[in-house]
Order: sequence, then C-alpha cells, then structure tokens
Amino acid sequence: DSGVTQTPKHLITATGQRVTLRCSPRSGDLSVYWYQQSLDQGLQFLIQYYNGEERAKGNILERFSAQQFPDLHSELNLSSLELGDSALYFCASSDRVFDGYTFGSGTRLTVV
Amino acid sequence: GDSVTQMEGPVTLSEEAFLTINCTYTATGYPSLFWYVQYPGEGLQLLLKATKADDKGSNKGFEATYRKETTSFHLEKGSVQVSDSAVYFCALREKDTGRRALTFGSGTRLQVQP
Repeated sequence: DSGVTQTPKHLITATGQRVTLRCSPRSGDLSVYWYQQSLDQGLQFLIQYYNGEERAKGNILERFSAQQFPDLHSELNLSSLELGDSALYFCASSDRVFDGYTFGSGTRLTVV
Repeated sequence: GDSVTQMEGPVTLSEEAFLTINCTYTATGYPSLFWYVQYPGEGLQLLLKATKADDKGSNKGFEATYRKETTSFHLEKGSVQVSDSAVYFCALREKDTGRRALTFGSGTRLQVQP
C-alpha cells in the first residue's frame, strides 16, 4: 500500500456521461497530481493542486476539471465522455521537499 | 519544452542477463531525473533518482548515472530476474521553476524469461 488511495478502481460508463474520480494523498503530502495513461499517449500530466490551490496545468481538456478539498483529498471530474477518454487515471502526491511522487494504483475508466 | 525519450520496447532478456534501458532528455535547466517502475495492474513506484550531474541513483540492483554532457540517464542492472518484468519509465522535473510536475518518457516494457 503506497498510502495514496484512489477510488473507484474500475469504472464503466457510456459516452456523454460524467464521472468523478477520487484521490486521497499520502498522509502529510500537500500536492496532488493527476495523470492520464493511455496506450497511444503514454503518461500525460493533467493538473496539479497544492494545499487546495491549482498550481499547474498540463494537457487537460476543457471537459475535465479537478479540485482539492480542505482535507486535501482531490477529485477529478470528467464530463461529456468520449470513447477516447478510456484510460488509466493516476493520482500521485508529494511532500513539500519533493522526494519524488507516490502514486496510487489508478482508476481504470472504460467508456462504451 | 521538456521531453524524455526512451528506447522502444519490449526488451526481452533471459534471466541473469545484463540490462540497459536508454533514456535521454531535453530540458532548459538542470533537472532532477527519475526512474519509475510499473508492475502489471499497479501504479508507478519510484525506483531511483539523481538530482545533479554525475550523481548515481541505485536501488534493488538497478543503477543510473546522471550524465549532463550526453543528457542521459540510462538504467542498468547486472543480472535481471523474472520478477523484474515490468514497464520502466524515465522522468524529469525542472528545478527552480516552481513547477513540480514530472515529465515522463513513453515507457519501456521489460520481459525476462526463465
């Protein structure tokens, strides 16, 4: 157990729907990062939050949004889903010193 | 922008063979460099890291040396085991920019046969 918890582990939904992925960072970590892993695109950075504030944005679509709550857990919202959004979504956390990321085990999203 | 290039996989080796997975990078400054490993069905785990030129990161028999002159961070292991079969990702993080997100390479799948 890495200490980073992601739920759900698997999600199957239809095109056009909206889903929410949840991440609880490792205890003490203030930064949360979201990544999308697909076969053709590799690991793509989506967005970073630090202590509730958005810190950096990567290749995140406008249909996607995220937030980090006061208890530091984070949610990634994916809407108007398309078949191409099917992927593994990873959350990672890091501490202030940044000794590297700690990854969760991911949420596998399948859009049908 | 920053980028990381890894050798294409899969790399298929016999047990006890020598492993090299090449990684080169492009960055505007002097990044920190990382290797992560992903076992089937799991998230990525930090394998080793190096934060400045000529640093050598090592862990579980794996090693990588930060070579600034060749902008490389090749992963090596002297004798691989079947349990090393996984996908290996090279990554970098720019320092002194306030941006903490890692940039990953495309990953290299290693298959070790008994």
